[in-house]
Amino acid sequence: GNSVTQMEGPVTLSEEAFLTINCTYTATGYPSLFWYVQYPGEGLQLLLKATKADDKGSNKGFEATYRKETTSFHLEKGSVQVSDSAVYFCALSRGGNQFYFGTGTSLTVIP
Amino acid sequence: GAVVSQHPSWVICKSGTSVKIECRSLDFQATTMFWYRQFPKQSLMLMATSNEGSKATYEQGVEKDKFLINHASLTLSTLTVTSAHPEDSSFYICSALKREGITGELFFGEGSRLTVL
Repeated sequence: GNSVTQMEGPVTLSEEAFLTINCTYTATGYPSLFWYVQYPGEGLQLLLKATKADDKGSNKGFEATYRKETTSFHLEKGSVQVSDSAVYFCALSRGGNQFYFGTGTSLTVIP
Repeated sequence: GAVVSQHPSWVICKSGTSVKIECRSLDFQATTMFWYRQFPKQSLMLMATSNEGSKATYEQGVEKDKFLINHASLTLSTLTVTSAHPEDSSFYICSALKREGITGELFFGEGSRLTVL
């Protein structure tokens, strides 16, 4: 079946630290992969996406590369800010109709 | 990007009353919308898939008579929590699927926090 596994949090980093949130997936065929971010008290927002192998999604300094050989889509940022504190969800979609979400990883960035 | 709006964003009601939450896609037509429930510090739990013009598809364990979903137009889906009880207090989030060829992208509402007294 289709599923997403992401690293459990919470993650606490100092400002300007390097961030990696691991995400691996299980799917048949070629899914599209997404990272969503949820700021406190808000709904989810699309952060970035990649639709085929070796694509790199990027936005607001975050990056993730679609690695088919390792079935991974790890989220990275070189220098986090306090404003990046949020919950991050990895997700996949097959055929654009069904979406599967990871459990979410809470990130807290301290000054 | 596309915008999905939920209303109300916060609602408090007495036990036994019904509450309706609206989800609107403001700048695109959405034949498919999804309703989720999120408990504190937990992931999204998909409750149901709302399809315009047809009955919603509920996930296992979700009471369809308690959580009524109506998708009457291409831009509006509603979730009605009937006879709400304190255990129904939660953060409810909708998303709308914007189709792009054979793929699609999900856009989420801001969420609606329900507190049942």
